Parts: sequence; structure tokens; C-alpha cells
Amino acid sequence: EAQVTQNPRYLITVTGKKLTVTCSQNMNHEYMSWYRQDPGLGLRQIYYSMNVEVTDKGDVPEGYKVSRKEKRNFPLILESPSPNQTSLYFCASRDWTGDRGGYTFGSGTRLTVV
Amino acid sequence: GQQLNQSPQSMFIQEGEDVSMNCTSSSIFNTWLWYKQEPGEGPVLLIALYKAGELTSNGRLTAQFGITRKDSFLNISASIPSDVGIYFCAGDYTGTASKLTFGTGTRLQVTL
Repeated sequence: EAQVTQNPRYLITVTGKKLTVTCSQNMNHEYMSWYRQDPGLGLRQIYYSMNVEVTDKGDVPEGYKVSRKEKRNFPLILESPSPNQTSLYFCASRDWTGDRGGYTFGSGTRLTVV
Repeated sequence: GQQLNQSPQSMFIQEGEDVSMNCTSSSIFNTWLWYKQEPGEGPVLLIALYKAGELTSNGRLTAQFGITRKDSFLNISASIPSDVGIYFCAGDYTGTASKLTFGTGTRLQVTL
């Protein structure tokens, strides 16, 4: 089944403790992106990647890092999480050559930083 | 970043009614997308629009790309209970669809 898989689904952590949220897609998509969703603000782009070793900032990149060493994986790294990073996070991917609108989203990771 | 105003914020309708929601932007977009999100899941693409004036249907859903390229609307006809969810518009101004800007969402509730 074609899908974007995020792990974990739920995470509670303490301020300052480094964490990584993994994202993997099995569709051989070039493009991958991370979003955070907060009440009343919709989804805001954190980082995106147009291919292996190519990443760029979205609208809210502060406090986050990403890497794209392999096509299928695009982990989101919080080096020193803070409470304002408590949010619902989504990873998405799409085929660069196919349907331009066909973004596939993962099921989300709900992060709480205390 | 770009700003998208989506309205209404929420709607409570009866089964069988038609629904209309819209998004407006202060800037021009090259692509408009409409997504639906159900509880505990990520957004799922409903309709993609690529040209100003384009009108596209997907079953009971119809969406249009505004002539000015600064707005889009989504209509749902004859709503049913499974239409419940949050509907998001999203726009892309890059031409490469690399930087989607999302609206704040319209929460739809359908009563029997």
C-alpha cells in the first residue's frame, strides 16, 4: 500500500531533550515536506526537500532540523524542544513528475513538550 | 509567508443541504488544492486546480480556481454524514508546488 509512515504517533517529552520524528514513504517520491498544525492556524510548512541532499526552509523552520540522506526518509529533528513546539506534525510527499497536486500525508505525530 | 483567509470557520448543516466555503489570498497563486482531514488522520487531497477559471468536480464536490488567481471555492452538494471533517484550502505560488500555504480550515458538522 502506498503510504507515508510517521513514528511515533504520540510523544511526550521534556524541554531540552533532543528528539527525532521519523518519516518514510514507499512511493519513490522526490518531494517531501514537514508541516505543523496548530488550532486556528492551519498547517504551516517547516522544511521541505526536493530530492536527496536538497532541503530548504519553509515558513516556520526555527527550532527544527531535517536531513535527506535517502530518498524514502525525511526525519524531523528537534535539538532542544521547547513547549511552543507542542503541536501536531505531518509529513507529506509527492511525485515530482506526476500529478502536481497529489500530496500524500502521513497520519500525524502529536508532540507534547513539558 | 503567504496568508490565506478561509471562511467560514465552522458550519453546522443538516444532511442533504449544500455547502459552500471559500479561500482568498492577498497574493496570486498558481495552484489551488482542497483537502479534507478526518480526526486522527492527515489531510487527503480532494481536488486540485491548475488554471485560472478552472472548474473541477469530484463526485458531489465542485471547486473553482478564481479568475483573479487570488481565490477559490469548494461546494459540496447534498451533504451526507461522512462529509464531516475539516476542509482546508491550500495554494502554491512557486509554480513547482514546493511551498504550499494552507488556509485555517472549515470545520463541517452534518446533522441527521
